[in-house]
Amino acid sequence: ELKVEQNPLFLSMQEGKNYTIYCNYSTTSDRLYWYRQDPGKSLESLFVLLSNGAVKQEGRLMASLDTKARLSTLHITAAVHDLSATYFCAVDLYGGYQKVTFGTGTKLQVIP
Amino acid sequence: DAGITQSPRHKVTETGTPVTLRCHQTENHRYMYWYRQDPGHGLRLIHYSYGVKDTDKGEVSDGYSVSRSKTEDFLLTLESATSSQTSVYFCAMGPANYNEQFFGPGTRLTVL
Repeated sequence: ELKVEQNPLFLSMQEGKNYTIYCNYSTTSDRLYWYRQDPGKSLESLFVLLSNGAVKQEGRLMASLDTKARLSTLHITAAVHDLSATYFCAVDLYGGYQKVTFGTGTKLQVIP
Repeated sequence: DAGITQSPRHKVTETGTPVTLRCHQTENHRYMYWYRQDPGHGLRLIHYSYGVKDTDKGEVSDGYSVSRSKTEDFLLTLESATSSQTSVYFCAMGPANYNEQFFGPGTRLTVL
């Protein structure tokens, strides 16, 4: 059974600081997704990582994937209040049907 | 996302009553999914569909059934609702351009 663990579960940080969210998973996979969820809203796709060593960047967020370590990271650079949200990683084990398993999420609070 | 809608958006019902949630997409995506979101659990897959009349169970399928008679509609039925099924339910469709899923706005279901 695939297990996907995120840490930390909750992160409070000041504006301007850097931090990293970690996503560990238990079974070999080379497909990993990051989503963002604002309070009371739906999920939106942030990054799709489809191979070992993949790195994607969008604004102050950068995601990477190390399939050998079964680890993905979401790095936040110089955080701003607008980044406050819950971030989920999701691992796709079965390929064709995109039947993904989600982590429990990391709630990020950026304090002005 | 404008291409996927859910109805109703909110529902309060009593234990033992049947409930049907509807997901409707206009993007002609082959795959559709039902998830539930609960604090501390992230998103958990209930059922998914890989085509008209083709469905399969996810990790938390007990107490739920689904039907997909048309590409655009995916129905989730709780045959006899229980308080443990109080949750936020998200429908999703895919695959999108990079294999990610697009999520609907969610349905908040309360079973009293």
